[in-house]
This record gives sequence, structure tokens and C-alpha cells, in this order.
Amino acid sequence: RKEVEQDPGPFNVPEGATVAFNCTYSNSASQSFFWYRQDCRKEPKLLMSVYSSGNEDGRFTAQLNRASQYISLLIRDSKLSDSATYLCVVNEGTGFQKLVFGTGTRLLVSP
Amino acid sequence: DTGVSQNPRHKITKRGQNVTFRCDPISEHNRLYWYRQTLGQGPEFLTYFQNEAQLEKSRLLSDRFSAERPKGSFSTLEIQRTEQGDSAMYLCASSRGGGRGEQYFGPGTRLTVT
Repeated sequence: RKEVEQDPGPFNVPEGATVAFNCTYSNSASQSFFWYRQDCRKEPKLLMSVYSSGNEDGRFTAQLNRASQYISLLIRDSKLSDSATYLCVVNEGTGFQKLVFGTGTRLLVSP
Repeated sequence: DTGVSQNPRHKITKRGQNVTFRCDPISEHNRLYWYRQTLGQGPEFLTYFQNEAQLEKSRLLSDRFSAERPKGSFSTLEIQRTEQGDSAMYLCASSRGGGRGEQYFGPGTRLTVT
């Protein structure tokens, strides 16, 4: 079983749509959680951290369910510029920060 | 720009040659990481430095790979006797100590071994 699992997509949605991505992780001792965004042939960029209480940043909402070892990302009112790969990331380090990445979910937003 | 920088951005080499990549982290970050990413996969952890000390190495980092951070600032990753399977994007990231562990990535060095 992969340490972090994501549906690779692609998710094809029209502008203005709401889209949700899910992710599961295997290590129950994981300490912190993130969503990164990666454009084609570019480096991953931190989108947001994910907190147990859930958190929102503009059109983006992240949720964490530790009991189910499940992380989600909701994007509302999709923009063309949201087209990218979204990486679910888990910090598994003990004493240091070792990020474990999912394979990513590709999002394509069309006009 | 005070982000993470990496050089070179692209490297094409012949099998069996040695290559060296450089990473300059964000100046106030004392932690530095190397990752490798192949097509269709997420980045995979290779190694981690806190200041000049290399504290963790992945099993992915074979004996042909060596990384250094001599003065706790920039880091180098050397691959000796390159193989075609080494072709990948090599990403460097840095972070502050403590906190939730947010890491910030450089643009990467894309290695092609022919």
C-alpha cells in the first residue's frame, strides 16, 4: 500500500465549478499535512497546511480526519488558473520533517 | 528574489559521467532537503541537512550519490557514474526549524542521462 494515495485524475471541470480532491495516508503517527500545487515542469508550491479543525483560504478549504486518515481539498468557483496538479503531502518525520508526497491529482479547468 | 535557487536548471550527460548540482536555500532557513521526482510521480525524499549536519538519508540514495552542506548554507548533490535510471528532476527545499514543517522548493535541476 502506498503511504499517501490520491486519485490521479484528471478532473475536467468548467470554470466556476466546485471540485473536491481526496487523499488517504497510511502512517497514523504522521504529524502534519499539506496541499502543494505543481504546474507542469515546475516545482511544487505550498498551497496550504491542513489543520484538524479544518481551514479555509479564499476559495480553498482543507479538511483532515485523523481517525480515518483522510485529507480533502475543496476548490470553489474554479478558475482557469487553477489548472495544475495538486499534491497531498504528509510529514512523517520524527525529529525532522520528512515530507511524503502522493502522486498528485491533475485538475483541468476549461472555459 | 530570496527563494530557493538551484543550478544548473538542466543537465544532459552521458552514462558513466559524474554530475554535481547546487542548491542555495532561503537565507534564514537552517534545514535543507533533496528530493527526486520522476514523471507521473510525486517527489521522493533523498536526504536532509540541519545546518551542516546530514541527519537522514533515504535508501534511494545509493553509494553513487553524495550530498554535502559544508558551511550550513548552500548544498551540493553529486551523482557518480550516472545511469539512465538517474534521469529525473532533482528538487531542493528548505525550511525553518520547528513549526509544522512547511518546505519551500527550488525550481529543480532536470537531469537527462543518455
